[in-house]
Amino acid sequence: QKEVEQDPGPLSVPEGAIVSLNCTYSNSAFQYFMWYRQYSRKGPELLMYTYSSGNKEDGRFTAQVDKSSKYISLFIRDSQPSDSATYLCAMNYGGATNKLIFGTGTLLAVQP
Amino acid sequence: DTEVTQTPKHLVMGMTNKKSLKCEQHMGHRAMYWYKQKAKKPPELMFVYSYEKLSINESVPSRFSPECPNSSLLNLHLHALQPEDSALYLCASSQGAAGQETQYFGPGTRLLVL
Repeated sequence: QKEVEQDPGPLSVPEGAIVSLNCTYSNSAFQYFMWYRQYSRKGPELLMYTYSSGNKEDGRFTAQVDKSSKYISLFIRDSQPSDSATYLCAMNYGGATNKLIFGTGTLLAVQP
Repeated sequence: DTEVTQTPKHLVMGMTNKKSLKCEQHMGHRAMYWYKQKAKKPPELMFVYSYEKLSINESVPSRFSPECPNSSLLNLHLHALQPEDSALYLCASSQGAAGQETQYFGPGTRLLVL
């Protein structure tokens, strides 16, 4: 079993839709949870960063962590064609230098 | 400013060549990372430097040799690579302190080994 599972998609939605992206994980020691957006042939860009369970909102993006279920989500409201990218969840145990454990990434296409 | 820069953007090299990838950050971060990413796969960690010392080597072949000349710079020296080493090489940095785990990535160097 992989430490982090993520549906690879592709996920295709119409412009304006609410998008839900999810990851599950197996190791309850993970404490820090991140979502990265990666456009084709570019480096990953940090979107959201959360610690422990709860919600965090930033503009059209909401990150949700449920540690009891080992489940994290990223919601995108009013999706735009410019949101079309691969979304990677990542997590780690914490500490000064730390190995990020990535999901496989979900390819999202927002159709105009 | 959360910028990590990498040069070159693209690199083509033969299997007998020696080349270097460069990474720079001016955020005062004390941890720097090299990742390798193949198409449609997530990044895979190669090396971690903490306070200019190598702290993690993920069993990377010796044809990849990292170097951290100072707290802002990270190099990856390449020698006798194989075609399967063709990939996007990503550099990242983080503050290097517990509770400050966020890693910021550069745009990557796209490497093709012929």
